[in-house]
Amino acid sequence: AAGVIQSPRHLIKEKRETATLKCYPIPRHDTVYWYQQGPGQDPQFLISFYEKMQSDKGSIPDRFSAQQFSDYHSELNMSSLELGDSALYFCASSLGTSGSLAYEQYFGPGTRLTVT
Amino acid sequence: GNSVTQMEGPVTLSEEAFLTINCTYTATGYPSLFWYVQYPGEGLQLLLKATKADDKGSNKGFEATYRKETTSFHLEKGSVQVSDSAVYFCALSDRAGGGADGLTFGKGTHLIIQP
Repeated sequence: AAGVIQSPRHLIKEKRETATLKCYPIPRHDTVYWYQQGPGQDPQFLISFYEKMQSDKGSIPDRFSAQQFSDYHSELNMSSLELGDSALYFCASSLGTSGSLAYEQYFGPGTRLTVT
Repeated sequence: GNSVTQMEGPVTLSEEAFLTINCTYTATGYPSLFWYVQYPGEGLQLLLKATKADDKGSNKGFEATYRKETTSFHLEKGSVQVSDSAVYFCALSDRAGGGADGLTFGKGTHLIIQP
């Protein structure tokens, strides 16, 4: 079965540079979520989109922005990168926002961002 | 706000032992509860879920029952295998605001199964 696709899988940037992470949800899934997981930490929710509109916002820094496009893929844009932004970034997708299936978030393999 | 508390481990067991990983939660509404598993170098996989009180989620021999009275969702397995070694995350989504709410995770429990 098709899964969530994230690219790139690994990214190395220097401080103050920008980075763009991409997420392609499972086919027919219309909801996308972004999470950040620091080393040895639990995932922290950043932001979500439903039908191309921002739906929920978590602990996303002002330096970060995201959007969902007409084909439902999403991009997380990160500017003025800091050393503390080094983490694993996960995208997840689900189907709709109500009903039993809406509660099932399926995660991608993650993008490992290293800021030097 | 919402929070999830789980034993952090590492938890080390012998193969075929009984497993319990405790998870308790605090939520403002009526949350849905989940267990996710993360193998080294991989993303999180949904293991099981329960969306209302007294529901039991089960998958691959793992079970967890949504206990509203004790605000708990403990993960259990009768006989663990070496391949169960991973990090297990308890999570909740309270959906109080409707829409695509993000999950709140516990700190994760590192499970090590020895042959």
